[in-house]
Parts: sequence; structure tokens; C-alpha cells
Amino acid sequence: AQSVTQLDSHVSVSEGTPVLLRCNYSSSYSPSLFWYVQHPNKGLQLLLKYTSAATLVKGINGFEAEFKKSETSFHLTKPSAHMSDAAEYFCVVSDQSGTYKYIFGTGTRLKVLA
Amino acid sequence: DTAVSQTPKYLVTQMGNDKSIKCEQNLGHDTMYWYKQDSKKFLKIMFSYNNKELIINETVPNRFSPKSPDKAHLNLHINSLELGDSAVYFCASSQWRSTGNTIYFGEGSWLTVV
Repeated sequence: AQSVTQLDSHVSVSEGTPVLLRCNYSSSYSPSLFWYVQHPNKGLQLLLKYTSAATLVKGINGFEAEFKKSETSFHLTKPSAHMSDAAEYFCVVSDQSGTYKYIFGTGTRLKVLA
Repeated sequence: DTAVSQTPKYLVTQMGNDKSIKCEQNLGHDTMYWYKQDSKKFLKIMFSYNNKELIINETVPNRFSPKSPDKAHLNLHINSLELGDSAVYFCASSQWRSTGNTIYFGEGSWLTVV
């Protein structure tokens, strides 16, 4: 069965400092992994995705994530936080094993301090 | 053009009423979903249709009934609304079993039951 664990429910960083949002997954098959961002009262926007190509994935707005199979992790990073990055971030897994499911983590609320 | 559109965006209604949320996608995808986001931002899948066939039906009260008239549409009808149904409902679509099968979300429908 698939599952996703986002290790931090809240992360606070100062503007201009690095961002690290942690995600661990469990999947019986080769997974596809995604990060989505949700700004307040908005829908979900795709930041980046991993689909068995390069393990280091670059996304929009300077975000990137590294797929580490040995650690079953897919952590999201950004070198320098901006105030506009304050939002809820979701790690998502799908394994196309026939379950047709995209499983969401519980989300990490990123707060950026001026 | 909006890829996944859902209406209405905001809906305030009284307990006991029946309401519907409509969803349409113009991405040519074969799979559509309804997700529910609760007050803690947790996203949980409710239903999924693949080529108009119901393939995921999670533990959801019978008061919720999805209908997919064609591959591009997936509507959600809710009978006898209860206070606990207040949430944000997201429609989504994807092309299953394709490389890089990103799931695309609508902007959400904010349902408030009073």
C-alpha cells in the first residue's frame, strides 16, 4: 500500500534563508512523486514531479526535490525563501499499480518571517 | 482556458438541503476525481472515475453521489447536507498510466453548511 509522511506540520524560516520540507513515502511499486503548493483560499498548484527520470527534480519558483530510493525520501528545498512562499505544501505519491490513487501527505505549513 | 473548472466556487446552504457541484476538464484526460479537504487541510480522495466507470469509492456516506456523463465531466451531488459536510471539495483529472501522470486540480468549491 502507498503512503506518504510529511515529517513537519509547520516550518518557519526567515526570508532569504533555505527551505527544507521533508517527505517520506512508502510504495510497493516504482512511485511517481509530486509536490503541490496551496496558497490561502486557493487551489493546488504543481511545483514539481518525479517520474523515474533524473533523481534531482527542478520545479517552479526555485524549488527542487531529490528522490532518494534508499531513504524513501523526496524532500523539497529552496535556497532562499521569499515571503510569497508562505503556503501549505503537500507531498503526493502515486504508483500506478492499478489503484488509481494519488495519496496526499498531511501537509506542511510554511511560514516565512520578515 | 481553465484546464479543470468547477462550479460553484462558494456555496452556503442550510442543513438538510441538496446541492450539486459540477466539474469539467478540457485536458482530454480519462480519469477524474473528487477530493475533500477538511478544516485541517487534510486532502482525502472520495471518488474516481476512469472512462466513466467508477473505480474508487472510498468510505463516503451514501448522501454523496458522483455522476460522470462523459469523460470530461464529473459532478458531485450531496443529499441532506449536514454541518460536517462543510469543507473544500476539489475536482481533479489525470491521464492514467501515462508517463508523468500529473493530477490537475480545479480551484475548489468552498461548501459551508449552516
